[in-house]
Amino acid sequence: QKEVEQNSGPLSVPEGAIASLNCTYSDRVSQSFFWYRQYSGKSPELIMSIYSNGDKEDGRFTAQLNKASQYVSLLIRDSQPSDSATYLCAVNRGATNKLIFGTGTLLAVQP
Amino acid sequence: DTEVTQTPKHLVMGMTNKKSLKCEQHMGHRAMYWYKQKAKKPPELMFVYSYEKLSINESVPSRFSPECPNSSLLNLHLHALQPEDSALYLCASSQDMVTSGYFGPGTRLTVT
Repeated sequence: QKEVEQNSGPLSVPEGAIASLNCTYSDRVSQSFFWYRQYSGKSPELIMSIYSNGDKEDGRFTAQLNKASQYVSLLIRDSQPSDSATYLCAVNRGATNKLIFGTGTLLAVQP
Repeated sequence: DTEVTQTPKHLVMGMTNKKSLKCEQHMGHRAMYWYKQKAKKPPELMFVYSYEKLSINESVPSRFSPECPNSSLLNLHLHALQPEDSALYLCASSQDMVTSGYFGPGTRLTVT
């Protein structure tokens, strides 16, 4: 089992729809969870961080964390073609304080 | 200012060359990182410095040698690299080793 798992996609959604990106992790002591967006040929850009159970909203983005289910998700409302990118889930592995990345989900927003 | 800068943007080097990658941040962050990223793969952690001391080395070959001259600077010295070392090398920094990291734009390295 991979430490951080994501569906590689591509996830294709029409413009204006809600894109739902999911991530599961294996280490129960993980404390910090992050979503990065990476455009092709560019470096990852932090878009959301979440540390406690529940939802965290920032503009069109909502991160959801369920530690009991070891599950973190990212919702993108009113998806735009400019949101087309790879979304990387990253989990801080509590025991070693290392940031472990999932393989990323490629999101394609169709105009 | 959430900026991490890296130089050079692109680097082509032969297998016998010695070169260095540079990274700088002025956010007062005390943790700095080197990652390697191959195409269509996630970033892969190489080294972590915390308070200017090397705290994590992910069993990286000795042809990669990190250096942290001060709290704002991070270098990666390269020597006798192999073609398979060609990748995007990313520097990141964070307030500490628990909080989120901010990435620099990366150095695209090609080893010929």
